[in-house]
Amino acid sequence: KAGVTQTPRYLIKTRGQQVTLSCSPISGHRSVSWYQQTPGQGLQFLFEYFSETQRNKGNFPGRFSGRQFSNSRSEMNVSTLELGDSALYLCASSANTGSAYEQYFGPGTRLTVT
Amino acid sequence: DAKTTQPPSMDCAEGRAANLPCNHSTISGNEYVYWYRQIHSQGPQYIIHGLKNNETNEMASLIITEDRKSSTLILPHATLRDTAVYYCIVRVDNQGGKLIFGQGTELSVKP
Repeated sequence: KAGVTQTPRYLIKTRGQQVTLSCSPISGHRSVSWYQQTPGQGLQFLFEYFSETQRNKGNFPGRFSGRQFSNSRSEMNVSTLELGDSALYLCASSANTGSAYEQYFGPGTRLTVT
Repeated sequence: DAKTTQPPSMDCAEGRAANLPCNHSTISGNEYVYWYRQIHSQGPQYIIHGLKNNETNEMASLIITEDRKSSTLILPHATLRDTAVYYCIVRVDNQGGKLIFGQGTELSVKP
């Protein structure tokens, strides 16, 4: 099976702009989670989507949002970008939601905000 | 907050077993122990997980103590490509897909 894919891999944006990142899960996986990784804060959970519904949400401002489509593909959007949003954004998919199901990560999207 | 404690760094000689410890003294009965690793700037890679019993797969073995308060990840024959940050994660049962990453252990495999 193909792994988790994320597009684009690299992105440069300017403060105040918005950005949309895309994640295609492993075929048959229904849960998609998003994470942000920065040198200062490490890996932090953003949100999880399962069957097009947000199931969990981390402690991020409302500028960070996401959605999931009927084919389980997911997008996350960040509006009004700030310099501190520069990070590696990772998505992970699993067959189902719940702690018994392992998550598989994609390679990430490296976002730089200038 | 992460529910696990790991040493910040460890060294291992190439070809030897790497034993990475993790303390999770507040673990609950239905919470799984997961191990992931991250090679620089790549996405984390799933290694193994377990609930109560020891587990083994093609990558590693997971040994969980009987009281479940600690565990050890064993890479039986470490190679240079195993150099990475290893994360031990306790998955809270009612939080679905959420993984809470701590600082992990930076494993350096040396020739």
